[in-house]
Amino acid sequence: GAVVSQHPSRVICKSGTSVKIECRSLDFQATTMFWYRQFPKQSLMLMATSNEGSKATYEQGVEKDKFLINHASLTLSTLTVTSAHPEDSSFYICSASGRDTDTQYFGPGTRLTVL
Amino acid sequence: DQQVKQNSPSLSVQEGRISILNCDYTNSMFDYFLWYKKYPAEGPTFLISISSIKDKNEDGRFTVFLNKSAKHLSLHIVPSQPGDSAVYFCAASESNFGNEKLTFGTGTRLTIIP
Repeated sequence: GAVVSQHPSRVICKSGTSVKIECRSLDFQATTMFWYRQFPKQSLMLMATSNEGSKATYEQGVEKDKFLINHASLTLSTLTVTSAHPEDSSFYICSASGRDTDTQYFGPGTRLTVL
Repeated sequence: DQQVKQNSPSLSVQEGRISILNCDYTNSMFDYFLWYKKYPAEGPTFLISISSIKDKNEDGRFTVFLNKSAKHLSLHIVPSQPGDSAVYFCAASESNFGNEKLTFGTGTRLTIIP
């Protein structure tokens, strides 16, 4: 099956710093990657969709200047949370799909805690 | 505006019995529906899906039923096993293409009682 990894799995940072989260498709070419955020006991909320080589499409209410997404290759997308604040603390999950996949495959998630 | 709703936040079922998880949606453009299973601090794992042209899809112990007129779908797990204890998310999209965005419900925590 298709495997998606995320790094790091857990990160704690100080308020005001930036954090980069990587999402990799390990055994397929991910033409599209998605970034989700999940707050405790809530649903997964789509933040943005990125296609390889083009700018990400952000969902309403998600600040593109705060959550920088780069999908530079067919196996890697990064999400950078800039000037992180405690309210950005959440579980961030990426997913990926490709020409040969019939659905999205999810990474294991990254727990971000901003102090 | 929650377009996909799972009204039961939790469900407990005896091992060996049938688990029925429900999901309702409001967007008539949704054409493809999926169920995911999620453990704490992990990403969702795909379980089963159904296209709007069908009313039932079965895969081993898992069966998904779709009632398009009622905008309702359900996941049946039978027989339920302790390893099925997890949070189950219903999701919907406007097509069955993998690059189509998914809208998730709020999840139902299923607990299987041994």
